[in-house]
Amino acid sequence: GIQVEQSPPDLILQEGANSTLRCNFSDSVNNLQWFHQNPWGQLINLFYIPSGTKQNGRLSATTVATERYSLLYISSSQTTDSGVYFCAVGTGANSKLTFGKGITLSVRP
Amino acid sequence: EAGVAQSPRYKIIEKRQSVAFWCNPISGHATLYWYQQILGQGPKLLIQFQNNGVVDDSQLPKDRFSAERLKGVDSTLKIQPAKLEDSAVYLCASSPGGRQPQHFGDGTRLSIL
Repeated sequence: GIQVEQSPPDLILQEGANSTLRCNFSDSVNNLQWFHQNPWGQLINLFYIPSGTKQNGRLSATTVATERYSLLYISSSQTTDSGVYFCAVGTGANSKLTFGKGITLSVRP
Repeated sequence: EAGVAQSPRYKIIEKRQSVAFWCNPISGHATLYWYQQILGQGPKLLIQFQNNGVVDDSQLPKDRFSAERLKGVDSTLKIQPAKLEDSAVYLCASSPGGRQPQHFGDGTRLSIL
């Protein structure tokens, strides 16, 4: 099956710093989503981005499908950005999602 | 728009007992998913429904897990009998269709004693 690798596995930032989270995948995909899992376990949609670039406030994402990677940018980080960030890619006719292992982000005040 | 509803939020049972989880998807969403998330890992798809038909259950341990979506709306996932390794968060998600974004409920945290 498809492999999804996220890096770095852990990230510690000072409040106000910027960061880039990476997702590499091993095959063609027809769906890609970024999620934020907060400390309460809720999985929040950030972006649906099988290709191209999108922005939502301090967050933006870029997927280069031909090179099989996606990037999530967080600018001016806040403590509420802490949690685990998952990349999930969809393949096949039913676009079955396969998740990466996640990136644990801690933003210090 | 109301989100994906799941219940219960927490469940503690002893091994070999049975347990059931309930999910109500976002109104109008034809596709419903059940995921298992073990601590420290990403969610893993257990079963996918399109309306009330199963389209993928390749990772569902069918000797102990079962799921149904009888009227094409809400769904139940059952484990019988439970094993210690079933301790996890069970997440339900829905989407309008296969290649549309999936939206997740808050999950049910299951602990097996």
